[in-house]
Amino acid sequence: GAGVSQSPSNKVTEKGKDVELRCDPISGHTALYWYRQSLGQGLEFLIYFQGNSAPDKSGLPSDRFSAERTGGSVSTLTIQRTQQEDSAVYLCASSFSGRASTDTQYFGPGTRLTVL
Amino acid sequence: AQKVTQAQTEISVVEKEDVTLDCVYETRDTTYYLFWYKQPPSGELVFLIRRNSFDEQNEISGRYSWNFQKSTSSFNFTITASQVVDSAVYFCALSEPLITGANNLFFGTGTRLTVIP
Repeated sequence: GAGVSQSPSNKVTEKGKDVELRCDPISGHTALYWYRQSLGQGLEFLIYFQGNSAPDKSGLPSDRFSAERTGGSVSTLTIQRTQQEDSAVYLCASSFSGRASTDTQYFGPGTRLTVL
Repeated sequence: AQKVTQAQTEISVVEKEDVTLDCVYETRDTTYYLFWYKQPPSGELVFLIRRNSFDEQNEISGRYSWNFQKSTSSFNFTITASQVVDSAVYFCALSEPLITGANNLFFGTGTRLTVIP
């Protein structure tokens, strides 16, 4: 079956603009995660959605970052007033149930964001 | 403090050599999970293995094997008879759901493996 898909694959924006990154999880997966991969910080967790529960936003670096998950499927990560330090690859992952005892996270190809 | 340490930043081996990638983790959780992912030049993280903290059996999958030792908090990964296609960055990761209340992964900084033909 289809894996996790993300769009766009590349995004170049100017400092101060808002951007939206999209993630389509694997069909049937109830848990969705966003991570960021940058040279300086490595791979870091941003936010986690499990079904219809309130998301775990503990990894979001600032209030300029937000995310939504509509209908328990597609998710959008929004970065407002982008800064150069936001330049990174944004990775989305999904897992079947979100239960740690059984779950494995499968990752999408990522969106490379460049803020000029 | 870093929860997952991959001390080897880069390793180069000649094709057909065996190579071991080290991973040391730190957690106070009594039940935790360890993972290895491969990131080839294409960039997509590929899942390799998942191990529960209460299962210390070593695992072998083809040319890949994993050695989990709770006594030393290590989860090392060995590739036997390496091939050029094994060239990638390998990440070790940890989840500690009882402490964090979530399943997010803490990643090491990765080891870049280059297999020279």
